Amino acid sequence: EDQVTQSPEALRLQEGESSSLNCSYTVSGLRGLFWYRQDPGKGPEFLFTLYSAGEEKEKERLKATLTKKESFLHITAPKPEDSATYLCAFYSGTSYGKLTFGQGTILTVHP
Amino acid sequence: EPEVTQTPSHQVTQMGQEVILRCVPISNHLYFYWYRQILGQKVEFLVSFYNNEISEKSEIFDDQFSVERPDGSNFTLKIRSTKLEDSAMYFCASSEVTFWDTGELFFGEGSRLTVL
Repeated sequence: EDQVTQSPEALRLQEGESSSLNCSYTVSGLRGLFWYRQDPGKGPEFLFTLYSAGEEKEKERLKATLTKKESFLHITAPKPEDSATYLCAFYSGTSYGKLTFGQGTILTVHP
Repeated sequence: EPEVTQTPSHQVTQMGQEVILRCVPISNHLYFYWYRQILGQKVEFLVSFYNNEISEKSEIFDDQFSVERPDGSNFTLKIRSTKLEDSAMYFCASSEVTFWDTGELFFGEGSRLTVL
C-alpha cells in the first residue's frame, strides 16, 4: 500500500540550530513529492515539489532533497517564525488529483 | 498575491442538517479539489473536479457529498445530511494546470465544520 511517514512527530530547536525533517515514502510510481507548511488553523502553504531522486530545491532557510525512498527538509539557522507543521505529500497518479499526506512534523523554534 | 478564499470560516450545525461550504478558487485556475483534515489527523483527499465534472473521488466522498461550480467563480461542497464524523476542517484547493506537472497546488484557509 502506498504510504508516507514523517519523523520526528515534533522537533524543538533553538534559534540558529540547524536540523532536518524526514519523509519516508512507499509508492509504486512517484510522480511528485511535495512539501507544505501549515500554520495552526490555516491551510497548507506550498513550499516545494521534487520529481526525481537527486533533485534539490531551496527557498530562504529551507532546502528539500529527494532520494528513492526519502525526502528531507533541511532547515538552516531557523528563526522563531519558521515554527509550523511541515507536511510531506506524494502524488502517484493512481487517483487523479489525489495527494497523499503524511501526518506532519511540528517544528517549534525557540528564541 | 492571488489566493483561494473559503466561506464560512467556521460553521456549527446539527446532525442531519445540510451544509454548503463555498470556495472561490484563483481566477485563472481550471482544476479544483476538496480535502479535509479531522483534528489531529492527516489531510485527506475528497474529490477533484475539472471541466464541470468530477475527475476522481475518494471512498470518503459518498452519496452524501456533492460538488458544484454554479457560476464562473464559485466551487461548492455540499454535505446533504451531516454526521458527527463529518466534523473536520475542509480545504478547497485549485491549480492552473495539473499540479503534478507544475508542482503548484494552492489551498484555501479552510472551513471548520462542527457537527453536534
